[in-house]
Amino acid sequence: EDQVTQSPEALRLQEGESSSLNCSYTVSGLRGLFWYRQDPGKGPEFLFTLYSAGEEKEKERLKATLTKKESFLHITAPKPEDSATYLCAVQAVGSNSGYALNFGKGTSLLVTP
Amino acid sequence: DAGVTQSPTHLIKTRGQQVTLRCSPKSGHDTVSWYQQALGQGPQFIFQYYEEEERQRGNFPDRFSGHQFPNYSSELNVNALLLGDSALYLCASSLLLNEQYFGPGTRLTVT
Repeated sequence: EDQVTQSPEALRLQEGESSSLNCSYTVSGLRGLFWYRQDPGKGPEFLFTLYSAGEEKEKERLKATLTKKESFLHITAPKPEDSATYLCAVQAVGSNSGYALNFGKGTSLLVTP
Repeated sequence: DAGVTQSPTHLIKTRGQQVTLRCSPKSGHDTVSWYQQALGQGPQFIFQYYEEEERQRGNFPDRFSGHQFPNYSSELNVNALLLGDSALYLCASSLLLNEQYFGPGTRLTVT
């Protein structure tokens, strides 16, 4: 069964203090790994899709990387407005499971001034 | 360009009642997926609709049903509501297997 585990559950950073969030996964065949940002009471906001090991994507202060077993979301010099829950999801290959996103529980990030 | 829209924003129902939630996909998208998100948890996949048919279903009971209309909009119906059905219900749209874009969600409270 596909499984997605995110760590840490919660992270508190000072403004400017860089760090990484981890998403480890087990899936029979990976079609894609997705990162989303979710603010309280709102729907997830799409950030990145990664398809193959070694792939990297960047957007402002965020950089996502992918290996065969895990993905990292690196946050460089974060600002208070980066505070949110970051969700990782995998999409598996296969006719019976090729469409659903299987999410982890998320990492709640708080960036203080 | 309007993103994914959902209605209503909030809803309060009594145990045993039935509820219908609505979703309009992002312009150009043909696929709609529904997710349930409990507090402190990641979204859980309910089902996905494509070409007006249910293409894949998650581990949810038959009390959860849906529909997709010719204009690609969708409804989620839940019968015989239980207290445990209280959650944020999210609709996501996509073009085929590409990335899914989420709406703001409907907060359902069952009392």
